[in-house]
Amino acid sequence: SYVLTQPPSVSVAPGQTARITCGGNNIGSKSVHWYQQKPGQAPVLVVYDDSDRPSGIPERFSGSNSGNTATLTISRVEAGDEADYYCQVWDSSSDHQIVFGGGTKLTVL
Amino acid sequence: QVQLVESGGGLVKPGGSLRLSCAASGFTFSDYYMSWIRQAPGKGLEWVSYISSSGSTIYYADSVKGRFTISRDNAKNSLYLQMNSLRAEDTAVYYCARVVSSGYYLLDYWGQGTLVTVSS
Repeated sequence: SYVLTQPPSVSVAPGQTARITCGGNNIGSKSVHWYQQKPGQAPVLVVYDDSDRPSGIPERFSGSNSGNTATLTISRVEAGDEADYYCQVWDSSSDHQIVFGGGTKLTVL
Repeated sequence: QVQLVESGGGLVKPGGSLRLSCAASGFTFSDYYMSWIRQAPGKGLEWVSYISSSGSTIYYADSVKGRFTISRDNAKNSLYLQMNSLRAEDTAVYYCARVVSSGYYLLDYWGQGTLVTVSS
């Protein structure tokens, strides 16, 4: 089955740029989606299809995907961005499974 | 606005059964694939199952295959998850989510979840 690998944690100071990676075999050939989950809340979609944003998501959230790594970039980080972030793909080649990365805890220093 | 409300969680003994429900509103339920995702305490997200808009196509994670059954009732705008032979490792918050399935599969709306605890 397809595996997505994320760093367990990323720390960044307010106002700086946070980059959260998601590694997978030839992930650049897949569409990657990103979710933000704050404590006690359901996940929220923040980036879809590698780099598109749902309505209501700030432009500070962006994404890219190439080769074996997809990246969620959060510019001008705010305290309210502190959360867990998960990447997700659909693996059409392996029993049509939806696959999540292990999640990354973003800490705003 | 899109609303998904899960119910049916609770405490169950190992080997027992439970049926979760998800009531959908604010969109044309019969037009969308739907999915269940779970999250064990302090752990990450784990996809469980999804079902096509008509109910004719269903997929499961290997961890629940043969024990869980997903279904839907489009007349009642409801999604279900029948969970049998429950194990301690099935303890989690279970979320239902709407699936956008056009070429890629993303989960654009989620419910607030229902907690399932499997313990003796």
